[in-house]
Amino acid sequence: KQEVTQIPAALSVPEGENLVLNCSFTDSAIYNLQWFRQDPGKGLTSLLLIQSSQREQTSGRLNASLDKSSGRSTLYIAASQPGDSATYLCAVNFGGNEKLTFGTGTRLTIIP
Amino acid sequence: DTEVTQTPKHLVMGMTNKKSLKCEQHMGHRAMYWYKQKAKKPPELMFVYSYEKLSINESVPSRFSPECPNSSLLNLHLHALQPEDSALYLCASSPQLGGLTDTQYFGPGTRLTVL
Repeated sequence: KQEVTQIPAALSVPEGENLVLNCSFTDSAIYNLQWFRQDPGKGLTSLLLIQSSQREQTSGRLNASLDKSSGRSTLYIAASQPGDSATYLCAVNFGGNEKLTFGTGTRLTIIP
Repeated sequence: DTEVTQTPKHLVMGMTNKKSLKCEQHMGHRAMYWYKQKAKKPPELMFVYSYEKLSINESVPSRFSPECPNSSLLNLHLHALQPEDSALYLCASSPQLGGLTDTQYFGPGTRLTVL
């Protein structure tokens, strides 16, 4: 069964610190992997998409890496800010079709 | 315009009511999706439309009826819902199905409460 796991479920860090969010998946034959952000009661905002042939993607203070062999992806956030507080979801496209398999998310709180 | 809009933002309905959720995008995307999200859970895929044709139905009960009248519009018709159907309903779109670099763009969702 293809599954996506995110640990920890919640994380609190002081403002200004760098941090890493983790995502693991059970099948290395992925098509692509995406990181989303969700604010409470809101929709999802796409942050980064990594194709299966890529190792990392960067956007501003965000850097996402992909290691298919170990079934892992990380989202690195540099110089964290209170506005980064949200739930971060990892989603994997396993089959090259339209279905995304989501992890359960990490709820991030940045402490001012 | 990189926005997916959803109406209404909030909906409260009784178990005997019929209501509809609406989703719209003007990005020229040809794939559109409905997701259901319960509190503190990830989104669950319900339906996928590709070029206005139903491509995937994730074994959703028939009290949920999707409709794609044109390439920009996606509806979800609701009838005889149960209280456990209360959730955030999210619409998303993407340029096409199966695109290697295609991300899904999500709307803000409709918060549905069934009494």
